[in-house]
Amino acid sequence: QQQVKQSPQSLIVQKGGISIINCAYENTAFDYFPWYQQFPGKGPALLIAIRPDVSEKKEGRFTISFNKSAKQFSLHIMDSQPGDSATYFCAASLNTGTASKLTFGTGTRLQVTL
Amino acid sequence: NAGVTQTPKFRILKIGQSMTLQCTQDMNHNYMYWYRQDPGMGLKLIYYSVGAGITDKGEVPNGYNVSRSTTEDFPLRLELAAPSQTSVYFCASSYSKGPYYGYTFGSGTRLTVV
Repeated sequence: QQQVKQSPQSLIVQKGGISIINCAYENTAFDYFPWYQQFPGKGPALLIAIRPDVSEKKEGRFTISFNKSAKQFSLHIMDSQPGDSATYFCAASLNTGTASKLTFGTGTRLQVTL
Repeated sequence: NAGVTQTPKFRILKIGQSMTLQCTQDMNHNYMYWYRQDPGMGLKLIYYSVGAGITDKGEVPNGYNVSRSTTEDFPLRLELAAPSQTSVYFCASSYSKGPYYGYTFGSGTRLTVV
């Protein structure tokens, strides 16, 4: 079953605009929420992450907003640049005792136009 | 510093054939993972390993097998290839059980079963 729902599937933003990608989760046992960025032909790479006891985390132009009561979190990319064009995956981590396993959203393909 | 290396990058298999996808990491990570990525479906965990000699099933293990004889290597075996196994396969590793260090992904193997 889909434990992490991500939207939109694709997004087109003008250079300098704000890109917003949303995710919702079901399992309240998830204990860490990373975002991964993937360029064509490459593997995903960790972009930014947040713990559930924090409502917001900012790193440069990238901000995660986290709403624990609503079981939702989102990625905001400020001043979006053409180099940000990539696929973005939200994820949620579950500690099973022996390992922490990531469940990924379905991905958002972001295109930043000039 | 090579990180996570996957071979081959591309492969076409006929139905019923077998193959091994290779994955090697040089970061001395104990934790390793195999994911498959299908369009619009995100990444699904196939198998994971918490150390040499220890493996466990993920979300979609059917049709696959793994082994972990060394810390560095985590090969994925397809015994009887089926069209449903057409996908992009990613190997990843992590420093510790906790998710805070993130996963390091390889660049993927694109497999087509015809």
